[in-house]
Amino acid sequence: AQSVTQLGSHVSVSEGALVLLRCNYSSSVPPYLFWYVQYPNQGLQLLLKYTTGATLVKGINGFEAEFKKSETSVHLTKPSAHMSDAAEYFCAVSDRVWAGGAGNMLTFGGGTRLMVKP
Amino acid sequence: EPEVTQTPSHQVTQMGQEVILRCVPISNHLYFYWYRQILGQKVEFLVSFYNNEISEKSEIFDDQFSVERPDGSNFTLKIRSTKLEDSAMYFCASRPTGGEWETQYFGPGTRLLVL
Repeated sequence: AQSVTQLGSHVSVSEGALVLLRCNYSSSVPPYLFWYVQYPNQGLQLLLKYTTGATLVKGINGFEAEFKKSETSVHLTKPSAHMSDAAEYFCAVSDRVWAGGAGNMLTFGGGTRLMVKP
Repeated sequence: EPEVTQTPSHQVTQMGQEVILRCVPISNHLYFYWYRQILGQKVEFLVSFYNNEISEKSEIFDDQFSVERPDGSNFTLKIRSTKLEDSAMYFCASRPTGGEWETQYFGPGTRLLVL
């Protein structure tokens, strides 16, 4: 069974500071990895995903994540926080299924609420 | 840009009542999902649906729950007799068959409160 752990339910940074949100996963085989963001009163929006290839993945809004198989981690970073980055961030994994497979349910971490101080 | 929509955004119901949560997936997507998030807890998978049948379901998805695609655009989640513990945010998601097929696109959610 897969599991996802996000370290820190709340993270607070100053505007302009580095953002680092941590995610570790447990899976019998390397899964697909996703980061979603949820702004207040909105749904889950995909930030980035890792499926194969380059382990450093760039997403939207200046975020990126590095998949480290040896550490089973996919931490999310952004060099300089902006006030608009305040939101809840979710790390998720799914099995490596083929495109026609009906599965690939997502297993989510507990989420990290990012607060950005002026 | 196409998006998943859900109605209603909020629903309050009495314990024991039936509720139907509605979702309109992205039009060319064929795989559909329901997830829920109880306040303060993780987002949890409920069920996946493809080709007019359930593909996978979690332990949460018991006989009180059902899903249906009543027409070419809607995807519904029915809770037959709601319990207090069904209070949660319910998210619908869909994914395509080609292109970005690994990616599930989520709706804004329906917040259900059972009194």
